Amino acid sequence: DVKVTQSSRYLVKRTGEKVFLECVQDMDHENMFWYRQDPGLGLRLIYFSYDVKMKEKGDIPEGYSVSREKKERFSLILESASTNQTSMYLCASSPTSGGSYEQYFGPGTRLTVT
Amino acid sequence: AQSVSQHNHHVILSEAASLELGCNYSYGGTVNLFWYVQYPGQHLQLLLKYFSGDPLVKGIKGFEAEFIKSKFSFNLRKPSVQWSDTAEYFCAVNARRTGGFKTIFGAGTRLFVKA
Repeated sequence: DVKVTQSSRYLVKRTGEKVFLECVQDMDHENMFWYRQDPGLGLRLIYFSYDVKMKEKGDIPEGYSVSREKKERFSLILESASTNQTSMYLCASSPTSGGSYEQYFGPGTRLTVT
Repeated sequence: AQSVSQHNHHVILSEAASLELGCNYSYGGTVNLFWYVQYPGQHLQLLLKYFSGDPLVKGIKGFEAEFIKSKFSFNLRKPSVQWSDTAEYFCAVNARRTGGFKTIFGAGTRLFVKA
């Protein structure tokens, strides 16, 4: 079974803090994604990566950056957290081979910025 | 711009009722289609997927979906829901394009099944 893990289930941070969200997958998938999930808005793509050290902006990259130094790990960074970044953050991975593009999700990190 | 529209944000049904959740997308090229489900407190997980072939796709737990290309639709159905189907359901479209792909999710439909 594909396993995608996220470093924290719940985080509470203060406005202006730098926040790191870590994601690790154990299936050697090329592609990794960060989404935020908000009620009524579904999943919105923040950034994705299709290879080590490669990253692409998604639909809402402002206020976020990412890092992918190793294939299995994809980090999301909030340089200066703001209250409007309070949300559920989901990490996902998918293979490129096979053409399925099915994504496998982690449990999510619920981030509260006060 | 590509988009995915789910017709209902909240659905409340009694057990044994039939379910149909609508999903429409806007993209004229080749697509892969998915329904994901998120049970309370659990990961988002794949319910079913369509790539090609038979447009009627069967997934886990008795769910099925029908791809109607002419209507750009991929509606999810279940003939008789159970209390354990209470969850949030997301339709997703993976648009294959030259040089890559992009997956777009709908806003989700929260289903509550009354026991």
